[in-house]
Amino acid sequence: SAVISQKPSRDICQRGTSLTIQCQVDSQVTMMFWYRQQPGQSLTLIATANQGSEATYESGFVIDKFPISRPNLTFSTLTVSNMSPEDSSIYLCSVDGSSTGNYGYTFGSGTRLTVV
Amino acid sequence: KQEVTQIPAALSVPEGENLVLNCSFTDSAIYNLQWFRQDPGKGLTSLLLIQSSQREQTSGRLNASLDKSSGRSTLYIAASQPGDSATYLCAVDNYGQNFVFGPGTRLSVLP
Repeated sequence: SAVISQKPSRDICQRGTSLTIQCQVDSQVTMMFWYRQQPGQSLTLIATANQGSEATYESGFVIDKFPISRPNLTFSTLTVSNMSPEDSSIYLCSVDGSSTGNYGYTFGSGTRLTVV
Repeated sequence: KQEVTQIPAALSVPEGENLVLNCSFTDSAIYNLQWFRQDPGKGLTSLLLIQSSQREQTSGRLNASLDKSSGRSTLYIAASQPGDSATYLCAVDNYGQNFVFGPGTRLSVLP
């Protein structure tokens, strides 16, 4: 299965600033997914990122707040913009195995964000 | 819309016990079901994946079963160890829908 390198692993940020999270995959994948996990909650899908097109956002998430880049088939970034304490969460990227002939989803190691 | 639930929400057992975690889903038209482990503040580690045509999968001390018709999956952990302490998440991959996660079961194995 694919191996994903996600960074930073954690950060503490000031209110009103932005943080960009990066995910690098060791193989080419068609779709990459970005999730948010708020404290004590399960994972919620933010958006699906396809190379060469705009990301598709889920209900409740907007591009101005969570801009996503997908410049090639192995890399994506998620930016959390104009942060507030409510954005404190774990952010995870994921790929599904279909692009590499495997089943199931693989996740990055997560970015633990605290906004103060 | 697919909904996934997990029981129990939390579980605390002494080391060495065998235990069962439960996952239920409302729409049986799934492509596959995957069990993950998550350590505090970390990402997800895939434990087992069961395709819709399969009934169970085994890896070491872990065994996962799938009953699509009843919308249930179980994760069996044999001879539990303190290192098994983590949150266990099940997730279903639906045809034409997103990957849907359950809320997780928080497991503590006491030495």
